[in-house]
Amino acid sequence: GAVVSQHPSRVICKSGTSVKIECRSLDFQATTMFWYRQFPKQSLMLMATSNEGSKATYEQGVEKDKFLINHASLTLSTLTVTSAHPEDSSFYICSAMTGGTYEQYFGPGTRLTVT
Amino acid sequence: QKEVEQNSGPLSVPEGAIASLNCTYSDRGSQSFFWYRQYSGKSPELIMSIYSNGDKEDGRFTAQLNKASQYVSLLIRDSQPSDSATYLCAVNLGGGADGLTFGKGTHLIIQP
Repeated sequence: GAVVSQHPSRVICKSGTSVKIECRSLDFQATTMFWYRQFPKQSLMLMATSNEGSKATYEQGVEKDKFLINHASLTLSTLTVTSAHPEDSSFYICSAMTGGTYEQYFGPGTRLTVT
Repeated sequence: QKEVEQNSGPLSVPEGAIASLNCTYSDRGSQSFFWYRQYSGKSPELIMSIYSNGDKEDGRFTAQLNKASQYVSLLIRDSQPSDSATYLCAVNLGGGADGLTFGKGTHLIIQP
């Protein structure tokens, strides 16, 4: 149980374009999902908390107009990186929280390269 | 500023021995603590969660929590080469539906 999928696993895009990443909880409903970012040789940094049916909560320093988050259902959250630039190149990982234990299970991640 | 500190390593342990990984955190109000394993190029995989002081065992893994000392550790018994990975300590401040603050991870190498 507690399987989380992400799509795509890898994407290369040109500077100025937008990229959408999907995160799905496959075998459980997740009222709360999270988006993290990991740069090479660094640890995961929380970007935002995504709650089903409400606006996402962004961490300090994360531009909400650049990283658009939509949590339309209990099993799907999307992250759209708008007007991507090379400095946005990173490993984006979502997680979904199971009820009760507050454990977070991570998707396989999306490696974004902006050229 | 919430901080989670780990020794980056590498920590080298012979196969079959006990690997001991340590983590300290700055926020005394932290409620939930997690250990994740991350292989190179992959996403983190949950190993253990611990919420109260003391030990929690799951197979070859034992998590230890001491809230007074703001210290959490992970012991891996009978270490295997497949245990070689980066181990991330993560802390949830509120104990509820909050995001995690991660340490930088300890790189563990199990020597055959």
